[in-house]
This record gives sequence, C-alpha cells and structure tokens, in this order.
Amino acid sequence: KNEVEQSPQNLTAQEGEFITINCSYSVGISALHWLQQHPGGGIVSLFMLSSGKKKHGRLIATINIQEKHGSLHITASHPRDSAVYICAVRSPFGNEKLTFGTGTRLTIIP
Amino acid sequence: DSGVTQTPKHLITATGQRVTLRCSPRSGDLSVYWYQQSLDQGLQFLIQYYNGEERAKGNILERFSAQQFPDLHSELNLSSLELGDSALYFCASSLVGQGSSPLHFGNGTRLTVT
Repeated sequence: KNEVEQSPQNLTAQEGEFITINCSYSVGISALHWLQQHPGGGIVSLFMLSSGKKKHGRLIATINIQEKHGSLHITASHPRDSAVYICAVRSPFGNEKLTFGTGTRLTIIP
Repeated sequence: DSGVTQTPKHLITATGQRVTLRCSPRSGDLSVYWYQQSLDQGLQFLIQYYNGEERAKGNILERFSAQQFPDLHSELNLSSLELGDSALYFCASSLVGQGSSPLHFGNGTRLTVT
C-alpha cells in the first residue's frame, strides 16, 4: 500500500461542475501539498497547508489531520482546469522529503 | 513563469553514458530540490540543497549525484545510465525550506536513454 493514496485516478466532468479530489495518507505529516501538472508537463504548486482550509480563486484545499485526509475542490470547473492534480505530504521529521500520490487526471468537457 | 530555469529541455543519450542536468533557482531562493518522474514510479524526491549544503536525501541512486554551487545553481549528475533512468527530472526551489515557503518548479528535463 502506498503511503499516499489519491482518488479518483481519473475524473471526467462537464464544465461548471463542482470537483472533489481526495488524498489519504498513512503516515504522520507536517504539511500537505497540492500540485497541478499540465499536459505539457510543467508543475505548479497550488497549495501548502498543515491545518484547516485555504482558498485561492475557484480552488479550495482542506486537510483533516486526525483523519489523515485532504481534499482539493474546484468550483465552477472550466476546461482550462484539465490537468493532473498531485497530492504530496511532507515528512514531520524536520527534513524536506515529499512523498507523492500517483495523481488524478481531470478532464473538463465544454 | 516560475522563475526556475532547467536546461536542457530534452536529452537523448545511450546506456552507460553520463549526463548533467542544470537548474537555476528563482532569484532569492536558497533551497533547490530535485525530483524524478517516471511512468512506473510517479514523482519521487531525490535530493535537496540549502545554500550550498545537502539538506535531505530521498530515493537517489548511488550512480546519481548533485551539488549546489555558490551562485545557488544546482547540477544533477547521472552516470552509468540505464534504460530505466528515462524520466522527467524536475528541479524546484523555495526561499527557505518547503515547510514555510512555497515551491516553484522548473519545466523539467526529459531524459531518454536508448
């Protein structure tokens, strides 16, 4: 079993739909990251959070430390949101190691 | 534009060869991280440098080495290349450690070993 599990692996939705991507982890962490990887391969860091909730535009990230679970939500989804979304968790042991999930491929249909 | 520059964008080489990947961090960032993304393993953390010193090590093979120079650019050296080393190699940088400042990724170097 991977230390970081994402679901779903693939998600196709209509433009305008509310999107939720889930991330569960089995180890202690100090922070959870959400990354976006575009079809061209470039990676953008979306969020870094260690508790609660963060919002940036139409994107919302939440984390529940007790349940070892995080979520990424996209409101009013748009075709330009089509990308692979990757969850990563940071070790709590004072080092900078990130462990990555396998990613969720999101496709938004116009 | 993240401000992180990786060169080259693409690299094709043969098994047994040695290559060097280069990364220039975003201006002002002191930490540099290297990651490998392969089809079967996904993204994996390789190594981190902070202000010239190695800070953390991940799943980096002994055939691979890295360093960060006084001007803060970093190089990842891959030697005795094998077919399985074919992957996207990303560099990222942050102001301090990634726990307290966001990560900025380069566009990656796509390495193909034939």
